[in-house]
Amino acid sequence: EDQVTQSPEALRLQEGESSSLNCSYTVSGLRGLFWYRQDPGKGPEFLFTLYSAGEEKEKERLKATLTKKESFLHITAPKPEDSATYLCAVQAYSGGYQKVTFGIGTKLQVIP
Amino acid sequence: DSGVTQTPKHLITATGQRVTLRCSPRSGDLSVYWYQQSLDQGLQFLIQYYNGEERAKGNILERFSAQQFPDLHSELNLSSLELGDSALYFCASSPAPGTTNKNIQYFGAGTRLSVL
Repeated sequence: EDQVTQSPEALRLQEGESSSLNCSYTVSGLRGLFWYRQDPGKGPEFLFTLYSAGEEKEKERLKATLTKKESFLHITAPKPEDSATYLCAVQAYSGGYQKVTFGIGTKLQVIP
Repeated sequence: DSGVTQTPKHLITATGQRVTLRCSPRSGDLSVYWYQQSLDQGLQFLIQYYNGEERAKGNILERFSAQQFPDLHSELNLSSLELGDSALYFCASSPAPGTTNKNIQYFGAGTRLSVL
């Protein structure tokens, strides 16, 4: 069974204090790894897709990287508006269809 | 705005009742996914439809059912509701195969269901 584990569950940072969120996964036949941002009471918002080990994607203060077993979301000099829950998801081919499995997420709080 | 529309935003009902949640996908998207999100759990995949046909099933209870109509909107029906069914229900859509970003799911704002 595909598994996605995110750590830490919660992270509190001072504004400007860089850090990384981890997403480790166990899946057969990875087709893609996704990062989403979710604000309270809202739907997840797509951030990045990574397809192969060594791939990196950047957007403003966020940078996502991928290895064969995990992905990191690096947050550089975060601002309070970066506070949200960050979700990781993996897509794999299973039983004749492409299945997406989400992690529980990391709740990030950035304090001014 | 993701382009995915879900109605209603909030739904309050009693145990034993039946409700219908509605989702309109982004223009041109053929796939629709339904997810349940409870406080202590992440997004739990329920079911996927592609161009009107069921494509994949996740942890969907027998009391729940869904369909996708010819105009591609989808409905999730929840019956014999229990207190534990209280959750956020999200719909997502994704572009057709062969198009750019075909694997990305775009989520609606969700329907918050409260079963009292």
